[in-house]
Amino acid sequence: DAKTTQPPSMDCAEGRAANLPCNHSTISGNEYVYWYRQIHSQGPQYIIHGLKNNETNEMASLIITEDRKSSTLILPHATLRDTAVYYCIVLDSGGGADGLTFGKGTHLIIQP
Amino acid sequence: SQTIHQWPATLVQPVGSPLSLECTVEGTSNPNLYWYRQAAGRGLQLLFYSVGIGQISSEVPQNLSASRPQDRQFILSSKKLLLSDSGFYLCAWSGLAGGYNEQFFGPGTRLTVL
Repeated sequence: DAKTTQPPSMDCAEGRAANLPCNHSTISGNEYVYWYRQIHSQGPQYIIHGLKNNETNEMASLIITEDRKSSTLILPHATLRDTAVYYCIVLDSGGGADGLTFGKGTHLIIQP
Repeated sequence: SQTIHQWPATLVQPVGSPLSLECTVEGTSNPNLYWYRQAAGRGLQLLFYSVGIGQISSEVPQNLSASRPQDRQFILSSKKLLLSDSGFYLCAWSGLAGGYNEQFFGPGTRLTVL
C-alpha cells in the first residue's frame, strides 16, 4: 500500500539542477514529506522534510504543492557524488518511531 | 556529536553457521534502534526495532533475532544461517529531537552466506 509514487530513474547533467518528483495524493493533514537518499553500498541519509511550506537546507530544497499532493526535491547544482537512490516518504510526527518504510525510490544518475 | 558503529563491515559465512552483528551508538541517550536488511536488487526492509533496553519488536517472521543488552547497543543474531539471509544489514537510530522520523544509519554489514 504505497503512499508515494516516484519515477524509477532519472538522469541529470553535472552542474545542472536535479528535480526529483514525488506524488503523495493521499497525504493527510498531519503528515510530513521526508526525503532520504542512499548512495551505493552506504546506509540511507536524511536530506530534508517539510509539511506545507517550501524548505531549504545546505543539501537541497523541497517544494510542496499547495494541495500537498506532490512535491519536488531540488538539488541545485548536481555533482557526480549526488548519484544515488532518492526516497520520498510520508510520515506523521513520530511515525518513524517504529521504523521507516522505504519504497523503490528514484535512481538519480548524474552524467559528467 | 552522535556516531553509529557497525561491525564487521563484511562477512562470509557458511550455511548453518551462527551470526552475531553488533551496532553501537555514541553521543545520545535513549535512542530508538533499528535493524534493516537490503537483499540484492531489493529495497530496504525493516527487521527489528527497539525503544529501550530489552524491548524488541519484530516486523517480519524470520530466521533472525535481535537483542538490546545496553541502551546504546543493538545486536542481530542467528543460530543457523540460511542462504536467504545474505544481504546488506543496516543499523539505525533515531531520537526525540528529530521526532523519530530522522533516522541515522550506520555503514552497514555486507553478509554473504555460502
